[in-house]
Amino acid sequence: NAGVTQTPKFRVLKTGQSMTLLCAQDMNHEYMYWYRQDPGMGLRLIHYSVGEGTTAKGEVPDGYNVSRLKKQNFLLGLESAAPSQTSVYFCASSWGVNPTDTQYFGPGTRLTVL
Amino acid sequence: AQTVTQSQPEMSVQEAETVTLSCTYDTSENNYYLFWYKQPPSRQMILVIRQEAYKQQNATENRFSVNFQKAAKSFSLKISDSQLGDTAMYFCAFMLNRDDKIIFGKGTRLHILP
Repeated sequence: NAGVTQTPKFRVLKTGQSMTLLCAQDMNHEYMYWYRQDPGMGLRLIHYSVGEGTTAKGEVPDGYNVSRLKKQNFLLGLESAAPSQTSVYFCASSWGVNPTDTQYFGPGTRLTVL
Repeated sequence: AQTVTQSQPEMSVQEAETVTLSCTYDTSENNYYLFWYKQPPSRQMILVIRQEAYKQQNATENRFSVNFQKAAKSFSLKISDSQLGDTAMYFCAFMLNRDDKIIFGKGTRLHILP
């Protein structure tokens, strides 16, 4: 099993450009999450999904959109990138929402917005 | 609102020594879980250890153990016989039993010196 994979690993955007980050998991997990990690800060939840076709807002959802058209994929979109969105983005997935359901993380995508 | 505080931004210890990472949290709830996550230089986060608040016994996983002081809202991680591969960023995290989101601290960067 590949676990949780993220595409791309690195990306540089200009302000105002759009892009989509892809997260894929092969563990048949129901729950998927997108986090961002900024220097000196822990991970902050952007959006999450409790199942195919569902999405919900996390702590810092502004400027991002997500979609979960297939159970194994969770897409994070930036419609008009801003320098404040320069960050490392992590995707995670889990069986369920209970604290005993371990979240498995992807390797991250480093995004720079100029 | 729940908060997680890690007061040590960075630490260094010699290989084979024991090191303790501190974490405090704030909540008015009684049912919750606490976690320590490790983020090595490869960036992929992995769960190190999990503690259920209603359990008095401290969780252990091989060389990793916690000191959970519920009244003091303290949750420290002890790494015994530290190894070079323990070099990583360590995040303390909190999750309510009834919630679906993890709250992360800002992390402690740990260097194991040869």
